[in-house]
Amino acid sequence: DTGVSQDPRHKITKRGQNVTFRCDPISEHNRLYWYRQTLGQGPEFLTYFQNEAQLEKSRLLSDRFSAERPKGSFSTLEIQRTEQGDSAMYLCASSSTGTSGRAWMYEQYFGPGTRLTVT
Amino acid sequence: GQQVMQIPQYQHVQEGEDFTTYCNSSTTLSNIQWYKQRPGGHPVFLIQLVKSGEVKKQKRLTFQFGEAKKNSSLHITATQTTDVGTYFCAGPSFYGNNRLAFGKGNQVVVIP
Repeated sequence: DTGVSQDPRHKITKRGQNVTFRCDPISEHNRLYWYRQTLGQGPEFLTYFQNEAQLEKSRLLSDRFSAERPKGSFSTLEIQRTEQGDSAMYLCASSSTGTSGRAWMYEQYFGPGTRLTVT
Repeated sequence: GQQVMQIPQYQHVQEGEDFTTYCNSSTTLSNIQWYKQRPGGHPVFLIQLVKSGEVKKQKRLTFQFGEAKKNSSLHITATQTTDVGTYFCAGPSFYGNNRLAFGKGNQVVVIP
């Protein structure tokens, strides 16, 4: 399967615990995105990597959230001291570079997501 | 705040009928993308529109980009049960060139 994969698919944690999610993008894609989606809403941008560089972060991404893409391949998203408001689906997407520097011009391939429930 | 607004948010469509969903922006968009998310699934890219007034068709789906590049529509003819899901439009965010801003989506339920 050459699609985007995410692990775990589901995570239940207690408030205050730390969680880490992993995303493996399509191998030839150098752009990777993290989104959060809650019920009845569209995906909400969290952060974006081009290769290993984190180029953009949403102002919604509090200090408790950190993302890495150490070798420009897979990425991890860590949430520290989870809160009930963090309960959501966390989606990862990847896209190719193309010939334009404008990342938004390229279709994004989404993974199945990690559903986080904070109790 | 939301950059692209989608109407309606919910639709119940009789199988075999046609329906349209709309996407509106207060600012001019360089391009617009449409995605479909099946219940329990993840968003899947459908199409991208770039040119003013552009119309693209995919079988029973017709996508249109407005002349002013501030609105877009998706029209589906002869609705089938496989059309169930949420349709999202997304445009470049004014917060950054590398991000997409998604609408809230139009959730479509098909009545057999």
